[in-house]
Amino acid sequence: QMQVVESGGDLVKPGESLRLSCAASGFTFIDYYMSWLRQTPGKGLECISYVGPSGNTIFYADSVKGRFTVSRDNTKNSLYLQMNSLRPEDTAVYFCARTRVRGNYFDPWGQGTQVTVSS
Amino acid sequence: QSALTQPASVSGSPGQSITISCTGTSSDVGNYNLVSWYQQHPGKAPKLMIYEDVRRPSGVSNRFSGSKSGVTASLTISGLQAEDEADYYCCSYAGVTIHVLFGGGTKLTVL
Repeated sequence: QMQVVESGGDLVKPGESLRLSCAASGFTFIDYYMSWLRQTPGKGLECISYVGPSGNTIFYADSVKGRFTVSRDNTKNSLYLQMNSLRPEDTAVYFCARTRVRGNYFDPWGQGTQVTVSS
Repeated sequence: QSALTQPASVSGSPGQSITISCTGTSSDVGNYNLVSWYQQHPGKAPKLMIYEDVRRPSGVSNRFSGSKSGVTASLTISGLQAEDEADYYCCSYAGVTIHVLFGGGTKLTVL
């Protein structure tokens, strides 16, 4: 059964850093792009980053470019998101998802991890 | 670029059919056959229901179907069931710079 599970969400202060992790199982991790998406009540769903199978192809949304860094460890079937200089507007539920680049869709998604940025 | 436009809510009775629209532009929905639809129950992970405008993943009920005309994509659910009550989001590829856009979501209520 394909599955991804996020972890690492927390309550942090503006300007602080946080690292999210995503553990994948049930599929050949190295064959797929992986994405980070986030969801807020106000802005809805947003794909903020993706990384290709080898780690060489990377995308960042303008909203996180220069502050967030995506990476993956194919030996551990894991995806990461290093988030620096966090802002209150980064408060969201963060999801990781296996990504089909050919069709540009996300399947499966994890349950999400809550990140709250507040003083 | 703005998010795709979906109605905030739709409702229907068990057994009926409903359609959720998703309107974009000629730069996204109208330019690629790459609209996907996701179902999300409260507190749960989004689930892929339709991809590439009309394709249904294995395991998804054939009561769910996708279509598109111009810059508007649609998700139709036939034979409504109580378990279909959820939020539904559309998503479209929008080019290499933006990547994808999501709709604001539609809350489906089964009366």
